[in-house]
Amino acid sequence: DVKVTQSSRYLVKRTGEKVFLECVQDMDHENMFWYRQDPGLGLRLIYFSYDVKMKEKGDIPEGYSVSREKKERFSLILESASTNQTSMYLCASNQMANQETQYFGPGTRLLVL
Amino acid sequence: GQQLNQSPQSMFIQEGEDVSMNCTSSSIFNTWLWYKQDPGEGPVLLIALYKAGELTSNGRLTAQFGITRKDSFLNISASIPSDVGIYFCAGQPTTGNQFYFGTGTSLTVIP
Repeated sequence: DVKVTQSSRYLVKRTGEKVFLECVQDMDHENMFWYRQDPGLGLRLIYFSYDVKMKEKGDIPEGYSVSREKKERFSLILESASTNQTSMYLCASNQMANQETQYFGPGTRLLVL
Repeated sequence: GQQLNQSPQSMFIQEGEDVSMNCTSSSIFNTWLWYKQDPGEGPVLLIALYKAGELTSNGRLTAQFGITRKDSFLNISASIPSDVGIYFCAGQPTTGNQFYFGTGTSLTVIP
């Protein structure tokens, strides 16, 4: 059974804090993605990675960075959290050979105070 | 990024009714996908469409790839309470590997 796990379901942080969101997949997928989901805006791509140590900017990378040191793990970093980064964050992964099927994690709901 | 407009934004229906929703883009897409997100979970792929005019079913769900390649439709027949959730369309344009997601349709089924 395919599985994408995210380190926290709910997170509360203060403005200016450094925040790490972790994502792990157990399917040996090459590709991993970070999205944020906001009401009325759908899912917007922040960053993605096609391989270890490789990263590409998505549509809204400002204020975020990522790290992929191992194939199964993709981390999203908020260097200095701001209130407008309060959102639901979704991680996903897929195979290079089957890119239309993305497997999503359960999401992390982040509140920045 | 690409703009995908999904409508309606929300729907409240009686159990047993049929549901229709659609998604339109400003440019041509090669692939259309439909996902469902249950409350508190990540989206799960329901149906994938690969060519214009294609009609594909998954149980009570039927989706179509519009002939203009700029739209797609999802129908749910005889809705049941477990159909509740947010439905997202996603599309892949003719260049690049990225998928773009619609704004979502929130479905509530009243028993």
